[in-house]
This record gives sequence, C-alpha cells and structure tokens, in this order.
Amino acid sequence: NAGVTQTPKFQVLKTGQSMTLQCAQDMNHNSMYWYRQDPGMGLRLIYYSASEGTTDKGEVPNGYNVSRLNKREFSLRLESAAPSQTSVYFCASSESPGAGVGDEQFFGPGTRLTVL
Amino acid sequence: AQSVSQHNHHVILSEAASLELGCNYSYGGTVNLFWYVQYPGQHLQLLLKYFSGDPLVKGIKGFEAEFIKSKFSFNLRKPSVQWSDTAEYFCAVNVRNTGKLIFGQGTTLQVKP
Repeated sequence: NAGVTQTPKFQVLKTGQSMTLQCAQDMNHNSMYWYRQDPGMGLRLIYYSASEGTTDKGEVPNGYNVSRLNKREFSLRLESAAPSQTSVYFCASSESPGAGVGDEQFFGPGTRLTVL
Repeated sequence: AQSVSQHNHHVILSEAASLELGCNYSYGGTVNLFWYVQYPGQHLQLLLKYFSGDPLVKGIKGFEAEFIKSKFSFNLRKPSVQWSDTAEYFCAVNVRNTGKLIFGQGTTLQVKP
C-alpha cells in the first residue's frame, strides 16, 4: 500500500497563477483533509471532507477550493495564488470521524509551494 | 475555540539526556490526543495516541506520554534521547467525533551526538 500520495512534490508559481494539488489514498478511508504548515504555526486545517460527497471549511479556507472527486481522491485548488500561500501543504486521511479505531490521521509527504 | 499550546519551541539536548515536551489544550469535552513526529524531509508520522483507558500511553521508539485530565495536559517523555530523535514534534487534539485535528505550534528537538 502506498498510503497517502501527493503530487507535485514541489511547485513554484507566480502571483495570480492557478494550480491544483492532488491527493490520493488507498486505505479505503472515508475522511480526507488538507493542511498547510508554516514555521512556528504548526499545521492548520484548510478544508476537510468527512465522507465522499461532502466538504467543509477548516481554520484557513480563504483563497482555496477543494473537490472530493471520489472516495480515493481529494484535490486542493488555488485559483489565484498569492505570496501568503507560500507554504508546505499536507493531505491526510482517516477512517472516519469517531470510528472505533478513532480518528488517527495518516499524512502524505507534502507539497512545497512557493508563490513569487 | 479549541487550541493547543506547546511550551517549548526549540529544545537542544545531548544524547542520553531525558526529554519532556509540554502540551496543553483548551477544551472541556472529550478529546483524543496525539503526538506526531516529522523527521527532516519526511512527512508526519504518529508517535502515540490516547483515546481512553490508561492515561500513560507508550508509543514507538521508546516514547511515552501521560494524559492528565485535570491539567489539560499530554506531555511527551523519553528517558534517553538519541541523535536519531532529532525532529519536529507536534501535539494534536481531536474533539471526539468531529474528525478535525488541532495542532500545536510544534517543538524542534535537536540532539547533539
């Protein structure tokens, strides 16, 4: 099993450009998440999808959109990139909120994004 | 709003020293508690977790953590660190049944050989 995979690993954008970060998991998890990691701020939740067909805003959703394409895939889109979106982006998945094995999230390797 | 606070931002230790990293959270309800580790250049990995039962939980690589409900704390400990423990450590809290993890700011641990 590959677990959680993300593409691309690195990306450099100019201000105003758009891009989509891809995430896929092969653990048959119901819930998926997008975080950004900034120095001194830990990880902050951008959007999450508790189950296929649903998405909800997290702590820092402004400037982002998401699509839960199917049970395996959850993409994050930046419509008009800004320098403030320079960050490392992590995708994660979990069996489901409140499941018996409980809410442990499994993380992908991350995408390092620089917006100039 | 729920929040997680890690008191030590940067810790430097020599090999074989003992480690304790503090973590406090603010939420009065039922929570699940986690410690994740991020080794240089790698993604986050779960060190240990607490859901219920014995408040002293043991994780991988000799780490343990104690949940003290009255203090809203979940401190991470290791009796003797190794150079390979150099990493960033994150405490996280999940309000039960919401699926959302709230992370602390992280603590960078540097272990000198």
